[in-house]
Amino acid sequence: AQKITQTQPGMFVQEKEAVTLDCTYDTSDPSYGLFWYKQPSSGEMIFLIYQGSYDQQNATEGRYSLNFQKARKSANLVISASQLGDSAMYFCAMRETSQGGSEKLVFGKGMKLTVNP
Amino acid sequence: NAGVTQTPKFQVLKTGQSMTLQCAQDMNHEYMSWYRQDPGMGLRLIHYSVGAGITDQGEVPNGYNVSRSTTEDFPLRLLSAAPSQTSVYFCASRNSGGIQETQYFGPGTRLLVL
Repeated sequence: AQKITQTQPGMFVQEKEAVTLDCTYDTSDPSYGLFWYKQPSSGEMIFLIYQGSYDQQNATEGRYSLNFQKARKSANLVISASQLGDSAMYFCAMRETSQGGSEKLVFGKGMKLTVNP
Repeated sequence: NAGVTQTPKFQVLKTGQSMTLQCAQDMNHEYMSWYRQDPGMGLRLIHYSVGAGITDQGEVPNGYNVSRSTTEDFPLRLLSAAPSQTSVYFCASRNSGGIQETQYFGPGTRLLVL
């Protein structure tokens, strides 16, 4: 079963508008972490934001915020005031901890955001 | 700090050849990992290490070996390259704990197996 689901293959948004990128996850672990990464056309993976499962407040990092709805198992990324440089692939990921204590990062398939001028 | 470095950036191999992808970090991170990225598949974990001398398999370990003799280095070895191993390979490192966890990625190695 897919653990991280990003259903939107691609989105278009006008510059300066806000956009929400969807991510749902599946885990039975009470302790987990959720991440969003940006991958521009140059190929590098850029960390954007992190949300811990026990965090009481939604994470924010500048123009990025994470809309964390634990009961619905969703961790949507909100980008406010889109910029042309936000055009990229975006990946949602979840940190899992196995019974042996090891930790792994599981990625979704990503979605492509295009910001139009 | 250089962060996470990977060499080479590009590599072309023939089927059956072996090679080592290098990864190093200068942040004294305990946790290091290797991912491959294929079109439409996202990133998939190959192998990871929680510290020097300790490695474990990820989601797609077949055809790859790793070792972790030092905290800084985590090389990935392709034993006998196959066209199915054509991919972009990312190395990553992080320290856990604290308020926020951040995993740092290297720039990637693009591998083509003919």
